[in-house]
Amino acid sequence: AQSVTQLGSHVSVSEGALVLLRCNYSSSVPPYLFWYVQYPNQGLQLLLKYTSAATLVKGINGFEAEFKKSETSFHLTKPSAHMSDAAEYFCAVSDPFSGGYNKLIFGAGTRLAVHP
Amino acid sequence: EAEVAQSPRYKITEKSQAVAFWCDPISGHATLYWYRQILGQGPELLVQFQDESVVDDSQLPKDRFSAERLKGVDSTLKIQPAELGDSAMYLCASSITGTGIYEQYFGPGTRLTVT
Repeated sequence: AQSVTQLGSHVSVSEGALVLLRCNYSSSVPPYLFWYVQYPNQGLQLLLKYTSAATLVKGINGFEAEFKKSETSFHLTKPSAHMSDAAEYFCAVSDPFSGGYNKLIFGAGTRLAVHP
Repeated sequence: EAEVAQSPRYKITEKSQAVAFWCDPISGHATLYWYRQILGQGPELLVQFQDESVVDDSQLPKDRFSAERLKGVDSTLKIQPAELGDSAMYLCASSITGTGIYEQYFGPGTRLTVT
């Protein structure tokens, strides 16, 4: 069965510092991988997705993630944090052979705090 | 920009009462999803529709939860009777349908508090 582990439920960085949010997946087949962001009392918004093309994926708001098969990882990074990046971030995995049903399995989330 | 609509945004109910949530997906999206997000956790899929048919309800507590999408457009999720453990955010999402992996667009959610 597929699963997603996000290391660190809370991450705190200074404005302008590097953001690194960790995600490791468990899957018997090369999966599709996603990062979503959730602001307080709102739904989830897609940041980026990996679907077996380039291993380095660029998303919105300056975020990017690198798929590393050998490490079963898909960590999210941003070179310089902004106050507006404070939110909860979720990594998710999907099995490309799930019969076209597009089912997502989410990690527990990482809350990012950005301080001045 | 098209959005997924959900109502109500907030709901407080007493345990043993019935509660219902409504979702209107983006026009043209044949696939609709209902997720439950318990505080401090990631969303968990409860039920997935393709048009009016359920394609996955393996995590739906069928003794108290029901979902319908009668005309393949909007959908209703019902809980009867509500229990304290049902307090959570209920998220609806929609996507186009096909053989690939398509972005799921999420609504703002309904935050349920059961007292």
